[in-house]
Amino acid sequence: NFMLTQPHSVSGSPGKTVTISCTRSSGSIASNYVQWYQQRPGSAPTTVIYEDNQRPSGVPDRFSGSINSSSNSASLTISGLKTEDEADYYCQSYDSSNQDVVFGGGTKLTV
Amino acid sequence: EVQLVESGGGLVRPGGSLRLSCGASGSTFTNAWMTWVRQAPGKGLEWVGRIKSKIDGGTTDYAAPVKGRFTISRDDSKNTLYLQMNSLKTEDTAVYYCATANLYYDPYFFHYWGQGTLVTVSS
Repeated sequence: NFMLTQPHSVSGSPGKTVTISCTRSSGSIASNYVQWYQQRPGSAPTTVIYEDNQRPSGVPDRFSGSINSSSNSASLTISGLKTEDEADYYCQSYDSSNQDVVFGGGTKLTV
Repeated sequence: EVQLVESGGGLVRPGGSLRLSCGASGSTFTNAWMTWVRQAPGKGLEWVGRIKSKIDGGTTDYAAPVKGRFTISRDDSKNTLYLQMNSLKTEDTAVYYCATANLYYDPYFFHYWGQGTLVTVSS
């Protein structure tokens, strides 16, 4: 399987913008969708971005997703940071060859 | 809206066995691919394995670390998913989540999660 690599941590001040990257080790990032999850301590993950760049209802438009084929990576951008955004964020995709699910290692966002 | 509730976690000795259950609400369970994901203390999310819906073959797939030791099954009449864990190792200590997709989207992505159940493997 390929790997999805995320930075261990990122930080930003309230009101600022941060971007979390998710780099695919082999194969094209565009070949399968990427989904992003937010996980607060003691809670199950929740989806903040699906199908690369779609927001579920209820997720603020401060959250956006994109993919970049040149860097073979996906990105989660959070603008207008709020203290409530402080959480762990995970990217996830799957391997078409065997249908195995792949998670990134997770990024701790500190606001 | 699908609700998932795991149960069956606890303390078990290395080499022991444990069976987890995940009860699902709603009428979509039969058509859903159901997945187990775990999270070791202070670590990231790890896919454990999946069982497809019977209409899609009902087959199972497992991550390499658990293959041959863990078995996923389902009882559609009870809207319940199971994870039978045998030959447990200390590195299997984790919160185990069941998860599933919204049926309108790819079954490889998860929109619904349970609250998790803690499995501790220790002597």
